[in-house]
Amino acid sequence: GAVVSQHPSRVICKSGTSVKIECRSLDFQATTMFWYRQFPKQSLMLMATSNEGSKATYEQGVEKDKFLINHASLTLSTLTVTSAHPEDSSFYICSARDRGGRVSTQYFGPGTRLLVL
Amino acid sequence: AQSVTQLDSQVPVFEEAPVELRCNYSSSVSVYLFWYVQYPNQGLQLLLKYLSGSTLVKGINGFEAEFNKSQTSFHLRKPSVHISDTAEYFCAVRRANQAGTALIFGKGTTLSVSS
Repeated sequence: GAVVSQHPSRVICKSGTSVKIECRSLDFQATTMFWYRQFPKQSLMLMATSNEGSKATYEQGVEKDKFLINHASLTLSTLTVTSAHPEDSSFYICSARDRGGRVSTQYFGPGTRLLVL
Repeated sequence: AQSVTQLDSQVPVFEEAPVELRCNYSSSVSVYLFWYVQYPNQGLQLLLKYLSGSTLVKGINGFEAEFNKSQTSFHLRKPSVHISDTAEYFCAVRRANQAGTALIFGKGTTLSVSS
């Protein structure tokens, strides 16, 4: 089946630094990618929808200047957490919709665990 | 807008016992329904999905779910669980026939299988 990768899988950074997380569709083209955030023992909360070649659509309450999303190609979307703080520590998961696949098909990446000290 | 309610936050069961994880949804339009499993420190794996047609959907690892439109439910069942089924299970909904929309997840149910 289709594979979505995320890099890095785990990152620890100091407060105030920026962290970039990559989401790649390895064997398909993804016109749409979604970024979710999951706190410990909680559900996945949609942060933003990323469409190739256009600006991302952010959910209410998500700061677009803090969580920069770039979807520059059909196989890559990046999420940059700018000036990270301890409260940004979380598990970030992306999913991608196969451009050529069925309407219902979305594939999830393995997630990136961010710890801000 | 769509929403999902998973009625049980934790479900403890013994090995080889049957299990049902409950999920109710709310939507004014047609939806697709999904169940995902998440093992510790991992991403999500699709168990099964309902798009249309037969209301009984069979998935991987012996799981099945039944779509009940009148009760707006999509409960997940397995007749005999294994220790390895211990994980977090998420029910999710998405508006039908709209490819660019994200999944909306329930809060999850922790299934704990003991011997």
